[in-house]
Amino acid sequence: KQEVTQIPAALSVPEGENLVLNCSFTDSAIYNLQWFRQDPGKGLTSLLLIQSSQREQTSGRLNASLDKSSGRSTLYIAASQPGDSATYLCAVRGGYNNNDMRFGAGTRLTVKP
Amino acid sequence: KAGVTQTPRYLIKTRGQQVTLSCSPISGHRSVSWYQQTPGQGLQFLFEYFSETQRNKGNFPGRFSGRQFSNSRSEMNVSTLELGDSALYLCASSPGLRADTIYFGEGSWLTVV
Repeated sequence: KQEVTQIPAALSVPEGENLVLNCSFTDSAIYNLQWFRQDPGKGLTSLLLIQSSQREQTSGRLNASLDKSSGRSTLYIAASQPGDSATYLCAVRGGYNNNDMRFGAGTRLTVKP
Repeated sequence: KAGVTQTPRYLIKTRGQQVTLSCSPISGHRSVSWYQQTPGQGLQFLFEYFSETQRNKGNFPGRFSGRQFSNSRSEMNVSTLELGDSALYLCASSPGLRADTIYFGEGSWLTVV
């Protein structure tokens, strides 16, 4: 059964710092991995989608990498801003005998001015 | 282009009642999936529909059901509500299955008293 873990559970950094969020998954036979952000009381906003054949994706200050063989993905946020404060979730689709999306518990990020 | 629309946004029900939640996907999207989010269990997959057919189902009791209409709009129903069903119910849509980015609605907050 596919399991997704995110470390750390919470992270607090001063504005301007570069930071890395981690996501690991147990079954490497995935179709893709997607990173989301969720603001309190809101739905999820898609940030980046990495297909299983890709190694990384970039959007603005965000860069996501995928190492399928080791079951790991990282989300790199450059020059963090207070507006980046949110919970970041990763989700993987696929795995042995599994076609649905499995989510990690998220990393709650606080960027202090 | 309008995003994923979920109604109602907030509702309070009594134990034993039933509830129906509605989701209108992004225009042109044929896949709709549903998730339950609680502080204790995080985001859990309920089911996924594509072209009016249920393609995947999560590990929830039969009290949770759904359907998709020919215009891709979807509804989910929870019968015989329990206190533990209190949660944020999120709907997401994507153009197809597996390979696509999924886009979430703002969710329906259900409180069971």
